[in-house]
Amino acid sequence: DAKTTQPPSMDCAEGRAANLPCNHSTISGNEYVYWYRQIHSQGPQYIIHGLKNNETNEMASLIITEDRKSSTLILPHATLRDTAVYYCIVRVAGFGNEKLTFGTGTRLTIIP
Amino acid sequence: GAGVSQSPSNKVTEKGKDVELRCDPISGHTALYWYRQSLGQGLEFLIYFQGNSAPDKSGLPSDRFSAERTGGSVSTLTIQRTQQEDSAVYLCASSLVSGWGTPLSSGNTIYFGEGSWLTVV
Repeated sequence: DAKTTQPPSMDCAEGRAANLPCNHSTISGNEYVYWYRQIHSQGPQYIIHGLKNNETNEMASLIITEDRKSSTLILPHATLRDTAVYYCIVRVAGFGNEKLTFGTGTRLTIIP
Repeated sequence: GAGVSQSPSNKVTEKGKDVELRCDPISGHTALYWYRQSLGQGLEFLIYFQGNSAPDKSGLPSDRFSAERTGGSVSTLTIQRTQQEDSAVYLCASSLVSGWGTPLSSGNTIYFGEGSWLTVV
């Protein structure tokens, strides 16, 4: 019973920005939004996380709406190696050990 | 090591045999998780360890599955009397633990290993 909704698949042209949406309308005030990706069946790779402010790191940007009911992961210049399944996950801020509950994610395909 | 290490990376076993999968978490990480992913399916939580607390076994699919964590570090997932439906990649992950409600930092991120591919024939 994942608490997020994502489109099952998306395409993006190589070199363009990939914008992956996620709905989390039932998110609680103490829940963070996390993004992971999984290439083939390798172990999931952490991308970014945030609470309510927009976040940016070397991999991506995370835009969270003011009401926190949705967010967008932005890969600014997509490459072929960004082809993967992207998971949006909400995680409560407890002790920092709360497990992740994965949904079905978005399969992003980067088109040459 | 720098990341979560799992062994073996691949294992083929005959139906009915027992298998053990090993996980070495990132040094200093007190929380350890096991997940599995069947072909074409999502990630399924199995079990979670945190320090000396009783493990959260709520995701184990049957009593054929068990796991232990010795000395708060290395963990072993054991599957007894393997069945063909046990074929999957078994993923281990670890994280640091901080105080209740403190802002989740990158230090609390859950990091995954590359998994152990299990094929039951």
